[in-house]
Amino acid sequence: EAGVAQSPRYKIIEKRQSVAFWCNPISGHATLYWYQQILGQGPKLLIQFQNNGVVDDSQLPKDRFSAERLKGVDSTLKIQPAKLEDSAVYLCASSRWTGYNEKLFFGSGTQLSVL
Amino acid sequence: SQQGEEDPQALSIQEGENATMNCSYKTSINNLQWYRQNSGRGLVHLILIRSNEREKHSGRLRVTLDTSKKSSSLLITASRAADTASYFCATDEPPIQGAQKLVFGQGTRLTINP
Repeated sequence: EAGVAQSPRYKIIEKRQSVAFWCNPISGHATLYWYQQILGQGPKLLIQFQNNGVVDDSQLPKDRFSAERLKGVDSTLKIQPAKLEDSAVYLCASSRWTGYNEKLFFGSGTQLSVL
Repeated sequence: SQQGEEDPQALSIQEGENATMNCSYKTSINNLQWYRQNSGRGLVHLILIRSNEREKHSGRLRVTLDTSKKSSSLLITASRAADTASYFCATDEPPIQGAQKLVFGQGTRLTINP
């Protein structure tokens, strides 16, 4: 089975520019997650979708970050405008559904550098 | 919010030795999961232990869970160079709309020396 696909792999932008990341989860997985991982730290959940509805976006900086999951399949995460502190790896993950005891499958991530 | 806290933050051992990593958490949980992350890659699920389980094995991995102490440990036996990675525990926070929300700790960076 194909894994979680993410692109681009790397992105370098200047502060105040905008950037978008794309994620295609494992086929049939209802739940999709975006995590932010700053160097040396654990992943922090930004937003969680169940099909195309948002389950949790309590830690998403909504003044600059937005995410959508059209048709309940792939998803896009956008940052506009970017700040220096947004430099991190952005990880997408999916799971079969959003109930308990589900393991997450992660993509390789997009490494963002904001200069 | 960060629920799980791993200890130690870094661990360096010789190949063939056993490695033990610990995770402590604050609130009640439904399950606790362990993930591995190789440098520059995404996380890979290793093992899930439910709150009503005390011990679980998978190959060279052994996970224990003590809900009274709110702690878990991951033991890797007969370590190999390929085990060099960061290891994270993840716990589920109280549900939102019935959905599991996994919160990751800061991780333990494990180095296996040949």
